[in-house]
Amino acid sequence: EVIVTQSPATLSVSPGERAILSCRASQTVNTIFGWYQQKPGQAPRLLIYETSARATGVPARFSGSRSGAEFTLTINDLQSEDFAVYYCQHYKAFGQGTKVEIK
Amino acid sequence: QVHLLQSGAEVKKPGGSVKISCKTSGYSFSDFYMHWVRLAPGRGLEWVGWINPQIDDARYAPKFQGRVTITRDTSISTAYMEVNGLTSDDTAIYYCARVSGGVELCNRISCYEYDYWGQGTQVTVSS
Repeated sequence: EVIVTQSPATLSVSPGERAILSCRASQTVNTIFGWYQQKPGQAPRLLIYETSARATGVPARFSGSRSGAEFTLTINDLQSEDFAVYYCQHYKAFGQGTKVEIK
Repeated sequence: QVHLLQSGAEVKKPGGSVKISCKTSGYSFSDFYMHWVRLAPGRGLEWVGWINPQIDDARYAPKFQGRVTITRDTSISTAYMEVNGLTSDDTAIYYCARVSGGVELCNRISCYEYDYWGQGTQVTVSS
């Protein structure tokens, strides 16, 4: 069973700055890795699929990458609407979530 | 426009059962797998299971096997998830989520990336 470890649990960032979120999978076979954004009272929203492809309508300031077993979501020039909880996913395994909060 | 509309919040007693519906519109229901995911307090997102609506085949996470049943009614483009033997640990928001790849692709490879989600159904288990 794949385990996905997400870090940090909370990230405090000022608007306009960059946020870097990480996930490490206990075993990876390929690049099937996604990122979701969830705001209070809303369903998750797909941001990134297949490691680095942006979903429809997702701004270019969101980008995904991979180095070995570590997957990264980078959010450049943080906007007010970006403060939310982010989850990574590798097949049926989700990370524990990272809350991006205003510094 | 793709839309997934779930049934309303439920309050159940321990040992009871709950059945949640997910009515879809805006696409061909049988052409995409439907998954169920839950968000429990302090536990993040957790995959529950999926159904291939085309052939009515369902699979479940090991911890839910035997306690959860996912079904569908293609005549009304609706998927269902029933959970039996409820405990307080089942208190969560349950989501239906459509896989982004079509059923033909996902019959060949495992697909777990979700492009559309229902609004969520709060299930509270309390005596």
